[in-house]
Amino acid sequence: DAGVIQSPRHEVTEMGQEVTLRCKPISGHNSLFWYRQTMMRGLELLIYFNNNVPIDDSGMPEDRFSAKMPNASFSTLKIQPSEPRDSAVYFCASSHPDRNDGYTFGSGTRLTVV
Amino acid sequence: SQQGEEDPQALSIQEGENATMNCSYKTSINNLQWYRQNSGRGLVHLILIRSNEREKHSGRLRVTLDTSKKSSSLLITASRAADTASYFCATARNQAGTALIFGKGTTLSVSS
Repeated sequence: DAGVIQSPRHEVTEMGQEVTLRCKPISGHNSLFWYRQTMMRGLELLIYFNNNVPIDDSGMPEDRFSAKMPNASFSTLKIQPSEPRDSAVYFCASSHPDRNDGYTFGSGTRLTVV
Repeated sequence: SQQGEEDPQALSIQEGENATMNCSYKTSINNLQWYRQNSGRGLVHLILIRSNEREKHSGRLRVTLDTSKKSSSLLITASRAADTASYFCATARNQAGTALIFGKGTTLSVSS
């Protein structure tokens, strides 16, 4: 398996633009998580899906953020409009409920909003 | 919100020495996990310890859990330069439908 695949790896955008981050989880993993990492706040859970259904989106900062999981092999995190304070590394992770090997993380998308 | 808090924030040791990192958490948990993150990369799962376990080993890693003190420790024995990374503890609360909450991590530097 190629692991959790995120795209793009790097994104630089201007304030006010729409940004879409993409994630392909590991096949067979039925839980998917979006985290954001910054120096100041560490790793923050944004939202998580179980069997493609959003379970907890309490970490989504505000209405500018939205996430979808249209099928078991794809999820998107969208920021519209983007702001400089959204600059961070965004990680996607997936897990299998019946195994003890924790979460598998993607390599992340480094977002810079200028 | 941060559930786990690691201590120390940074640790510098020589190759061959042991490294000990601690984690404290606030609420009851189902399990506690440790992850490693190399610079510019995603997190990698190291080990999981359940709330009814007190100690677990995996290669050069030893994890302990004290639920009465709400704390855990990660010991890396005979450290190597390749162990240089940030280490995070993460807790799974004793509540269905919750995701892992991560601490801010300990940055370990191993010099040769």
